[in-house]
Amino acid sequence: AQKVTQAQTEISVVEKEDVTLDCVYETRDTTYYLFWYKQPPSGELVFLIRRNSFDEQNEISGRYSWNFQKSTSSFNFTITASQVVDSAVYFCALSENSNYQLIWGAGTKLIIKP
Amino acid sequence: GAVVSQHPSWVICKSGTSVKIECRSLDFQATTMFWYRQFPKQSLMLMATSNEGSKATYEQGVEKDKFLINHASLTLSTLTVTSAHPEDSSFYICSAPNWDRGRETQYFGPGTRLLVL
Repeated sequence: AQKVTQAQTEISVVEKEDVTLDCVYETRDTTYYLFWYKQPPSGELVFLIRRNSFDEQNEISGRYSWNFQKSTSSFNFTITASQVVDSAVYFCALSENSNYQLIWGAGTKLIIKP
Repeated sequence: GAVVSQHPSWVICKSGTSVKIECRSLDFQATTMFWYRQFPKQSLMLMATSNEGSKATYEQGVEKDKFLINHASLTLSTLTVTSAHPEDSSFYICSAPNWDRGRETQYFGPGTRLLVL
């Protein structure tokens, strides 16, 4: 069965600290896609990254980086030098075989204190 | 980039009335759209898959007679909450997939906040 687990319900750090959001997934498919989305208080989902199961290279985009490890079925997200504007709920999601349906984690609420 | 819009962005209605929410893909065609519901401090829950020209596919536990979905064109899907009650108050989000530079991507609407009094 497919499942996405974000064990961290809420994380609170002080601005400029680094923070890692965990995501563990379960799937039987060999081809799948992993996503991270940001949901600020406005509610609109902001796409951050999409990674397919055949690409295990880690990715860095500015202060954001993602660590994809198939051996542990994890796709963790790190924000370096966090800023107050990073405060939001972050969702990890899984899609299998491009069937377009997303399986969502419960989300992690990130609070960055000034 | 591809854009998905939703209308209205928020709506307040009396219990027992019906509310229609529109989801439009503005610059691409979508044969499939998805409707999600999100309660406060919870994750998104897929309600149904909207298919252009055919019946929607509902997730288990979602009442198809209460949440009517019509996907009449390649750019528009509508969700009608019939005889709305306070427990239907939620944040409703639609999404549509599109191929962008050889990659399938989901585009989300900004959401519709429904408050049933």
